[in-house]
Amino acid sequence: DVKVTQSSRYLVKRTGEKVFLECVQDMDHENMFWYRQDPGLGLRLIYFSYDVKMKEKGDIPEGYSVSREKKERFSLILESASTNQTSMYLCASSPGVGAVDGNTIYFGEGSWLTVV
Amino acid sequence: AQSVAQPEDQVNVAEGNPLTVKCTYSVSGNPYLFWYVQYPNRGLQFLLKYITGDNLVKGSYGFEAEFNKSQTSFHLKKPSALVSDSALYFCAVSYSGSARQLTFGSGTQLTVLP
Repeated sequence: DVKVTQSSRYLVKRTGEKVFLECVQDMDHENMFWYRQDPGLGLRLIYFSYDVKMKEKGDIPEGYSVSREKKERFSLILESASTNQTSMYLCASSPGVGAVDGNTIYFGEGSWLTVV
Repeated sequence: AQSVAQPEDQVNVAEGNPLTVKCTYSVSGNPYLFWYVQYPNRGLQFLLKYITGDNLVKGSYGFEAEFNKSQTSFHLKKPSALVSDSALYFCAVSYSGSARQLTFGSGTQLTVLP
């Protein structure tokens, strides 16, 4: 089974703090994603990475950055947290193009972030 | 541009009755369609997908979905609902088959009443 692990399930941070959300996948997947989930809005893609050190902006990258130094690890960084970044954050991974399930995304359990 | 709509925020069904969760899509070319389920305080789990071939796709936990090209729909169905099916269901579409290009619907909360 694919395992995507998000290190923190619940975090409370203060406005202006720098926040790191860590994610690790154990299936040697090429692609990794960070989504944000808000009620009524579904999932919105923040950033996507298709290889080590390679990244692409998603639909809502403002206020966020990412880091992928190793293939299995993808970090989301909030440089200066704000209250409107209070949300559920989902990390995900998928195999590369050409894989049997290359277009299937596998999700972690999510990280609930509250910014006060 | 591609989009996906889940017209019902909430669906209630009695246990043992058939259930349907609706999804319509808009995409240029042939769609790649997915259903995911999210249980409370958990991540999303893959249920099933349509890429090509048979219009009726079978997935996990007894769910199936029917692809209807003329109606641009991909409704999720189950013949007999269980209380444990209560969850948030997301439909997603991609025009390219690339996971990067996936667009998710806003979700439908399914409640199965005992």
